[in-house]
Amino acid sequence: DSGVTQTPKHLITATGQRVTLRCSPRSGDLSVYWYQQSLDQGLQFLIHYYNGEERAKGNILERFSAQQFPDLHSELNLSSLELGDSALYFCASSPGYSNQPQHFGDGTRLSIL
Amino acid sequence: AQSVTQLGSHVSVSEGALVLLRCNYSSSVPPYLFWYVQYPNQGLQLLLKYTSAATLVKGINGFEAEFKKSETSFHLTKPSAHMSDAAEYFCAVSDFQGAQKLVFGQGTRLTINP
Repeated sequence: DSGVTQTPKHLITATGQRVTLRCSPRSGDLSVYWYQQSLDQGLQFLIHYYNGEERAKGNILERFSAQQFPDLHSELNLSSLELGDSALYFCASSPGYSNQPQHFGDGTRLSIL
Repeated sequence: AQSVTQLGSHVSVSEGALVLLRCNYSSSVPPYLFWYVQYPNQGLQLLLKYTSAATLVKGINGFEAEFKKSETSFHLTKPSAHMSDAAEYFCAVSDFQGAQKLVFGQGTRLTINP
């Protein structure tokens, strides 16, 4: 158990819809990262938050957004969903120090029908 | 920009044999390097990390990796494979000055033959 909790584990929805993925980091971790894992793109970094502030963006579509709340949990919002958004979305957390590894949750599997 | 190349998308070894998973990286700054393992329907679990201390890094489950700057490599090894080692393995790089995002290789699926 990594201590990172992601909900829901599975999500099935239709094209054009909007969903919210939730992540609770390990106790004490200030950084939250979101990654997307798909068969064609592999594991891709989406976005990083540190103590409520956005720190870096990766290959994140404009239809996607995220935030980190004062209690440090984070949400990834995906809107106007397309078939190609079907993937496994991982959240990871770390204390925020540069040499500390990231610990991953079990992911949310998003299926777009 | 940083990048990681994992040589071999699929590696198959016999139980008890040496496991060698190859990883080469590209980084304009001294890198932090990681190996993660992913079991089916699970998240990524950290195996080991290199953060500029000892070049030979020991991890969990008997795995180790050696950082070779001259070869820009960080290969993962285990002397004797066990059936429970069957999984997908990812090498990742990050820089220690930036946003610490991880750049992953494409992964290597390890199969253990009885």
